[in-house]
This record gives sequence, structure tokens and C-alpha cells, in this order.
Amino acid sequence: DAGVIQSPRHEVTEMGQEVTLRCKPISGHNSLFWYRQTMMRGLELLIYFNNNVPIDDSGMPEDRFSAKMPNASFSTLKIQPSEPRDSAVYFCASSTRAGTGGYEQYFGPGTRLTVT
Amino acid sequence: AQTVTQSQPEMSVQEAETVTLSCTYDTSESDYYLFWYKQPPSRQMILVIRQEAYKQQNATENRFSVNFQKAAKSFSLKISDSQLGDAAMYFCAYRRAYGNKLVFGAGTILRVKS
Repeated sequence: DAGVIQSPRHEVTEMGQEVTLRCKPISGHNSLFWYRQTMMRGLELLIYFNNNVPIDDSGMPEDRFSAKMPNASFSTLKIQPSEPRDSAVYFCASSTRAGTGGYEQYFGPGTRLTVT
Repeated sequence: AQTVTQSQPEMSVQEAETVTLSCTYDTSESDYYLFWYKQPPSRQMILVIRQEAYKQQNATENRFSVNFQKAAKSFSLKISDSQLGDAAMYFCAYRRAYGNKLVFGAGTILRVKS
């Protein structure tokens, strides 16, 4: 079975440009998570969805960040406009259930974003 | 708020030997889950082992085992018979039993010497 798929794997863009990161969760998983990893702040949860509905977006740093999940097999994280401090690795993860049990989160390979 | 602390930024171990990575956490919850994730240079986050707080028995996965001390809020990872492929960043993580948010520690870089 395919794991979590993220695209692109690497993205280099100029400050002020719009950036869209994409994620396809594991089929059958109904929870999806977006994380950001930086040297300064480590791994941080940005937002997560249950059954395509955003549940907790308290980790989204600013209004420049937005995330959508139009269906069970696709999610996007958008940054508009991008800034150099947004440079990081962005991970998408999915799991089978939310709220109960020790259901594991399976991570995608991440997107390394560089904003110049 | 829950916090996870990994006090060892970097550790080294000789191939075939044993190493222990430390993790402490802070929570007021009684029911929760603890995890160790491995992140090799490929960046992929890989689940190594999981521990349920209500279980007294320490989790074991092949060469990986944990020492879970609930009262002390300590959750260390022991890697036996270390292999070159174990070299990676290791993250300790916490999750409430009825929640989704994983809280990660800062990570420990493990180097394996041949």
C-alpha cells in the first residue's frame, strides 16, 4: 500500500510568491496532519483534519497560511505571500482514527521549502 | 500544556553496543501515549516504538526497548546491538489518549561508529 504522498519534495521560491504544498493521505485514513520542522522550533503541528474538517488550526502561524482538504484523498497547505522565515520542512501525516486509541500517524517524506 | 524534553542533543555509540536515549515529559493527564520516532538523513519520520501509559510493561520491538517510568514521567529508549543504520535523529513524542496532537521533543542525534 502506498504511504503518504507529498509534492513537491523540494520547492525554492522568492519572497512574496505563493507556495502550495500538496498531500495525499493513506487510503482509508480519516485524519490528516500538517507539521513544520525547523532548527529553531523543532516539529510543530500546524493544523489537523478529521473527515476533511479542520479541527485544530491553532498552530497555523499567521493568516498567510491556509490549509484545505476538499476530499478524503487530498489536502493542500498554502502560504501567500511567502517569507524567508517560512523556510522549513513541511510534513503531512495521516492516521486511521482520531480521538481515541494509540493510532499511529504515518508521515510523508516532507517538502523542503526554501524562500529566498 | 504538555511538554517533552530530550536533554541529550547528541549521542554516540560503537557498533554492536547499547545506547540509551533519554526523554522526560510533563503532563497532568493520566492516560496518554508515548512514541519514539526515527528520522534518518532521508528525512522520513519512522515510528520506532509506542507505549501506552496504562500499561506497566515496557514496550519492546526487536532491538529497541523502552524504560517507562510513569511516576517520574520518564521514557527512555534503549537500542541494543547498535547498527550503522540506526544513525539518525530520534524524537520522543507525547499524545493525549483522547487527542490527536503529537508533541515532540527537540530530538537527539545518534551517531554510530564502526
